[in-house]
Amino acid sequence: GAGVSQSPSNKVTEKGKDVELRCDPISGHTALYWYRQSLGQGLEFLIYFQGNSAPDKSGLPSDRFSAERTGGSVSTLTIQRTQQEDSAVYLCASSPQFDLGYSETQYFGPGTRLLVL
Amino acid sequence: SQQGEEDPQALSIQEGENATMNCSYKTSINNLQWYRQNSGRGLVHLILIRSNEREKHSGRLRVTLDTSKKSSSLLITASRAADTASYFCATDPYYNNNDMRFGAGTRLTVKP
Repeated sequence: GAGVSQSPSNKVTEKGKDVELRCDPISGHTALYWYRQSLGQGLEFLIYFQGNSAPDKSGLPSDRFSAERTGGSVSTLTIQRTQQEDSAVYLCASSPQFDLGYSETQYFGPGTRLLVL
Repeated sequence: SQQGEEDPQALSIQEGENATMNCSYKTSINNLQWYRQNSGRGLVHLILIRSNEREKHSGRLRVTLDTSKKSSSLLITASRAADTASYFCATDPYYNNNDMRFGAGTRLTVKP
């Protein structure tokens, strides 16, 4: 079946411009995560949506970063006034309904490679 | 797929004891990472070890890597109740595979 999709796959932008990254989760998955990964580094958690609950924004590195999830499905990560240090791979993941006490299996998309010049 | 496989599936210990979790993988790697996940939260990166390293420390964490056996271990010393979480390993480059996912991990419970 269809997995998590992200667009664009690659994005090159100039410093100071705004960018929007899109994530289409697996149909029916209620949880959606955004991460970023800089070259040679581990995943850095950014934001987490679960159903209709208020999102967990604790990982957003600055107020230039924001994310929305419309209708409990598609999510958009927006970076305003991009900086060179924002260059990274931005990954989206989704998971099924969380079952209290058990681990979630997160299904990752292919990522968006962002390069800020 | 670069999915790691963790064992044991569940581990329950008393506060103050050490916890050891293992990870096995199947292909050659550039690095291996350990993550934790608290219930209902996102993955948090703990530590990264490169393929040319055999051991790495970070606070109460100690990671070993044996590339000949394609295995890694995560040791948490002097555990605390706040260490209760699920722990996962992952290898690179996983973000090129739409089917990539983390395994079930090791569910660690630290009793106060």
